[in-house]
Amino acid sequence: QLHLRESGPGLVKPSETLSLTCSVSGGSITNNHYYWAWVRQPPGKRLEWIGSMYYSGSTDYNLSLKSRVTISVDTSKNQFSLKLNSLTAADTAVYFCARHRNREPFDFWGQGTLVTVSS
Amino acid sequence: EIVMTQSPVALSASPGERVTLSCRASQSVNTNLAWYQQRPGQAPRLLIYGASTRATDLPARFSGGGSGTEFTLTISSLQSEDFAVYFCQQYSYWPSSTFGPGTKVEIK
Repeated sequence: QLHLRESGPGLVKPSETLSLTCSVSGGSITNNHYYWAWVRQPPGKRLEWIGSMYYSGSTDYNLSLKSRVTISVDTSKNQFSLKLNSLTAADTAVYFCARHRNREPFDFWGQGTLVTVSS
Repeated sequence: EIVMTQSPVALSASPGERVTLSCRASQSVNTNLAWYQQRPGQAPRLLIYGASTRATDLPARFSGGGSGTEFTLTISSLQSEDFAVYFCQQYSYWPSSTFGPGTKVEIK
């Protein structure tokens, strides 16, 4: 059974960079059928897709976040990561990692991790 | 950007009741529409994709319909485990996939 688990700091200061990691178990991140994504949900707001990557390193980003986001992969650890810079309070959210096929919905999700941006 | 709206925001129903949730897209997404269920503190779960195709092992009491801009998710007989938040997602346009705000199904 596939399992995704997010890890990272729960509190980050404004203007700093958020770094989160998604550890994948029960399946290989190099499976050529799947993409790996980050999705977030600010408190009381709807889900927002942040970006996706393929194990080869190719990426797609939400145009509204593209200038601040980097998603990368470490195939040796079966992990992928999110970096989001120039944080503001508006970036406070539960961050999920998820899996999907190309241009398809997300079929597996992690439990999510709450990130608060505050000084 | 395609804006997704859902109605109602919340509904109260009793176990065994039939409920229908609605999702609307600001422009046509054909049948590139998915439904998810999220229980408190849990990961979202994919229920329906392609507007009407049930995900693996999803009980038959869940059904999806619609195309273009209007979609529905019907639960034919609510079970206790179905009380959750349901949200829709359009994946017709990448890299601009967008989600609806969700409908909360509560126990009456």
